[in-house]
Amino acid sequence: DSGVTQTPKHLITATGQRVTLRCSPRSGDLSVYWYQQSLDQGLQFLIQYYNGEERAKGNILERFSAQQFPDLHSELNLSSLELGDSALYFCASSAQTARGGYTFGSGTRLTVV
Amino acid sequence: AQKITQTQPGMFVQEKEAVTLDCTYDTSDQSYGLFWYKQPSSGEMIFLIYQGSYDEQNATEGRYSLNFQKARKSANLVISASQLGDSAMYFCAMREFSGTYKYIFGTGTRLKVLA
Repeated sequence: DSGVTQTPKHLITATGQRVTLRCSPRSGDLSVYWYQQSLDQGLQFLIQYYNGEERAKGNILERFSAQQFPDLHSELNLSSLELGDSALYFCASSAQTARGGYTFGSGTRLTVV
Repeated sequence: AQKITQTQPGMFVQEKEAVTLDCTYDTSDQSYGLFWYKQPSSGEMIFLIYQGSYDEQNATEGRYSLNFQKARKSANLVISASQLGDSAMYFCAMREFSGTYKYIFGTGTRLKVLA
């Protein structure tokens, strides 16, 4: 157990639907990052939150949104889902210092049918 | 702009041999960090090693070492005494310590250790 908890582990949904992925960071970590990993695109940075505030934005579609709550857990909302959104979605957290790298959750595998 | 390049999509190595996985990067920042992660077939991402741009010595963590050549902008991962359990996907990543602080990842190298 890495200390970063992601739920659910698997999600199958239909096109056009909306889903919410949840992430609880490792205890003490203030930063949460979301990544999308699909077969043809590798790991794509989506968004970062630090202590409740958006810190950095990557290649996140307008149909996607995220937030980090006061208890530091984060949610990634994906709406109007398309087949191409099928991917493994990772959440990671990090401590203040950069040297320790990220701690990744086990990911949520989303399948859009 | 930030960029990470891993030119080896796949590699084979004999058990107990050493292997080098290549990573080159591009950044205009003077302060940045370089990371390597391992992703086994089970899917989880495991942090292996870190090198800071101002670190004078190459980072080492057990059987992993990072061959950092700043002028060449390369940060190759060396795995010594390969084990069957090292078979996995390996990702190089970079984080700039100014601006957006976001990480970017390379496309990965799939390593297969042969018995």
